[in-house]
Amino acid sequence: QKEVEQNSGPLSVPEGAIASLNCTYSDRGSQSFFWYRQYSGKSPELIMFIYSNGDKEDGRFTAQLNKASQYVSLLIRDSQPSDSATYLCAVKMWDNYGQNFVFGPGTRLSVLP
Amino acid sequence: DADVTQTPRNRITKTGKRIMLECSQTKGHDRMYWYRQDPGLGLRLIYYSFDVKDINKGEISDGYSVSRQAQAKFSLSLESAIPNQTALYFCATSDLEPGLAGGRQFFGPGTRLTVL
Repeated sequence: QKEVEQNSGPLSVPEGAIASLNCTYSDRGSQSFFWYRQYSGKSPELIMFIYSNGDKEDGRFTAQLNKASQYVSLLIRDSQPSDSATYLCAVKMWDNYGQNFVFGPGTRLSVLP
Repeated sequence: DADVTQTPRNRITKTGKRIMLECSQTKGHDRMYWYRQDPGLGLRLIYYSFDVKDINKGEISDGYSVSRQAQAKFSLSLESAIPNQTALYFCATSDLEPGLAGGRQFFGPGTRLTVL
């Protein structure tokens, strides 16, 4: 069974702090990794994707990938109350149904004013 | 204008009824997906389609069927709805070919289905 795991949270951080969200995955051969933000009752929105080991920065967001450890993380700098949402980690991997996106359960982030 | 649309947005039905959820997209993507989301379980794949003639089962296809009427349209049917199919359903498209690294998914607004 191919799996993606995340701490469900809630993760609470004060406004202006760095929020660190973590994700591990079971398929060592996975090549593509995605972070989605989902506000309550809304659809997931892609915020970052990463394919290579190391860091990828986009504004206040940094994705970090370590394929040897099968670990991907998302850092949110200068966290704002508007960042309060559930963050879904998704990994593109081969499973019994083909090559598809496997999602973690999500981490709920709460940024406190 | 929304790139991926879903109808209806909300639906309440009774056990045993047949329900169809519809998805349309203007992104020009060949690949389309249906997921359901339950609290604490993330998104789970029901069916996916890589082109009009291609239909594939996902992790939780039992009790569901799909139809790909055109590149832009992908419908999900519940043949005989049951209460544990109460969930939030999302349609998605993606923009890269299978086998290559990458692929970004774009989600519709979701359909909240309640089966009584």
